[in-house]
Amino acid sequence: NAGVTQTPKFQVLKTGQSMTLQCAQDMNHNSMYWYRQDPGMGLRLIYYSASEGTTDKGEVPNGYNVSRLNKREFSLRLESAAPSQTSVYFCASSGFTGTGMGIQYFGAGTRLSVL
Amino acid sequence: GESVGLHLPTLSVQEGDNSIINCAYSNSASDYFIWYKQESGKGPQFIIDIRSNMDKRQGQRVTVLLNKTVKHLSLQIAATQPGDSAVYFCAEGHSGNTPLVFGKGTRLSVIA
Repeated sequence: NAGVTQTPKFQVLKTGQSMTLQCAQDMNHNSMYWYRQDPGMGLRLIYYSASEGTTDKGEVPNGYNVSRLNKREFSLRLESAAPSQTSVYFCASSGFTGTGMGIQYFGAGTRLSVL
Repeated sequence: GESVGLHLPTLSVQEGDNSIINCAYSNSASDYFIWYKQESGKGPQFIIDIRSNMDKRQGQRVTVLLNKTVKHLSLQIAATQPGDSAVYFCAEGHSGNTPLVFGKGTRLSVIA
């Protein structure tokens, strides 16, 4: 049972380069999320997808785009990476319970450095 | 805006003692609360949750207490072990199609 799988685990980019972070879940969850985590800042929501076919901005969406490719996969794209995007990125998923979006389960993270 | 916060950013506990991690929330509409544990280099891991119609819920060595009157949530860890060393996050959610709101986290250090 893999849960939430993120690739790559580590990445180094130069300023201005682009890349896509991949996320897949095998729990048949409706909702998926992308967070960034910086020291002392906790988890900040970038984008989320409440269900297949929908995406919404979170707290810090600038500089990012997302694609909900299907129910399993939710990707995060940096079109032109900046040093301020150096962070650890987490993907999560949750099953919609009818009383809220439910418990989120997280991947192991992608550690991104932008030079 | 509504937010979830923590009273103590760091907590050091002797091995074998009980730990109490606190969290304050501000959204009175929140109707469920979750505690996560994040070990170094890993993603947050679900520990326990509680619905707003409950005051207390127990798991294995962990207890979550909810005081809606003062909007306070706590996580109690019994007989703290070195493996409990981690950052602990509280999160709140409510009915409707909106994500959880996470607090900034408390680092628990267990002294052997």
